Amino acid sequence: QTVVTQEPSLTVSPGGTVTLTCASSTGAVTSGYYPNWFQLKPGQAPRPLIYSTNNKHSWTPARFSGSLLGGKAALTLSGVQPEDEAEYCCLLYYGGSWVFGGGTKLTVL
Amino acid sequence: QVLLQQSGPGLVKPSQTLSLSCAISRDSVSTNSAAWNWIRQSPWRGLEWLGRTYYRSKWYNDYAVSVRSRMTIIPDTSKNQFSLQLTSVTPEDTAVYYCARGRGDDYEAFDIWGRGTVVTVSS
Repeated sequence: QTVVTQEPSLTVSPGGTVTLTCASSTGAVTSGYYPNWFQLKPGQAPRPLIYSTNNKHSWTPARFSGSLLGGKAALTLSGVQPEDEAEYCCLLYYGGSWVFGGGTKLTVL
Repeated sequence: QVLLQQSGPGLVKPSQTLSLSCAISRDSVSTNSAAWNWIRQSPWRGLEWLGRTYYRSKWYNDYAVSVRSRMTIIPDTSKNQFSLQLTSVTPEDTAVYYCARGRGDDYEAFDIWGRGTVVTVSS
């Protein structure tokens, strides 16, 4: 049973910078896991932010960036805005199947 | 702008089969550059990828281990849509179900999502 682990919760001040991570129980996350990141808000479909580690969709704000960091996939928010308060979920590829992380609840305070 | 329009019942009885469809606009279910996925979200399991269908000279399906024995994804080229069938449902299958496109060489960019269908399993 593959498990993808994220920080349960993080808090950041408006205008600050925060990094969320996404770890795999199988070992280091590499580009071959094609990390995707999504923003989740209640009552809405997940909003795609990042694909294939660090690629942004056309609608992704510039303050969101993706990377690999210490064997994990990472999502960094720079210059956090109040509207960034949400849950963030990663998605990793395991050769024919995909597994979501448990999500990180980000509080902007 | 590609759109995914979901349809299907919101209430299913235990032990019955859940059937949902996802109609595709401005793309093709048989394109070589995308896979068509089903995903669900529940408070107790979070987001869960269920499976996908894609066409590369022939049709392929992949399923999550958790639902593999109960789930079928069926592409329909005549209607340009794909459907989910989940048999022997239990209350644990209660969730919001989404269809989503994964585009790219390895279908790695989940970019377009349906609006979701709230499904409750209850007698």
